[in-house]
Amino acid sequence: QVQLVQSGAEVKKPGASVKVSCKASGYTFTSHAMHWVRQAPGQRLEWMGWINIDNGDTKYSQRFQGRVTITRDTSASIAYMELSSLRSEDTAVYYCARVAGGANRSFDFWGQGTLVTVSS
Amino acid sequence: QSALTQPASVSGSPGQSITISCTGTSSDVGGYNYVSWYQQHPGKAPQLMIFDVTNRPSGVSNRFSGSKSGNTASLTISGLQAEDEADYYCTSYISGSTYVFGTGTKVTVL
Repeated sequence: QVQLVQSGAEVKKPGASVKVSCKASGYTFTSHAMHWVRQAPGQRLEWMGWINIDNGDTKYSQRFQGRVTITRDTSASIAYMELSSLRSEDTAVYYCARVAGGANRSFDFWGQGTLVTVSS
Repeated sequence: QSALTQPASVSGSPGQSITISCTGTSSDVGGYNYVSWYQQHPGKAPQLMIFDVTNRPSGVSNRFSGSKSGNTASLTISGLQAEDEADYYCTSYISGSTYVFGTGTKVTVL
């Protein structure tokens, strides 16, 4: 069965960077794009960006452009999201979400979420 | 890109039907048939409920249905049940291969 397992919670200081991983299993990793979505405490879901796992192409929300980098390791079936220049407003749960594939652009499987806390 | 607009809260009694709206523009909701809806229970990851405006993934109850008119998409939950109490988010594809989520709606079963 499809599973997306994310790395554990992180606590970072302002100005630092964080790298969250998302290990995929149960399907052909290169056949489905991966998105990253975050949710600040009590707030709405916010789309951050995505990666074409097959060729590595990426697209980011303008809101995070320049601070976010999404990569993948196809040999290990892992996608990564790195966010730099962290500030307190980046405290949130970060999710990876798989694209269903084909003409279906929805997110059919999600990771369990990774809490990133930014605090001095 | 601004978030799509959803009502903050919608409530209904068990067995009733409720509808959640998701209003965007001709550049997102109105321009593409790539609207999806997600259900999120507290402390849990979102779950896909509707994709491509009207389609239900296998395993999702047929009490959930989606539609669209112009720049507004809607999610209808019929035969409301206690387990439907959750937050609901719409999302739409936007040109340039980007996406936007809605502001979210809290559904309360009275």
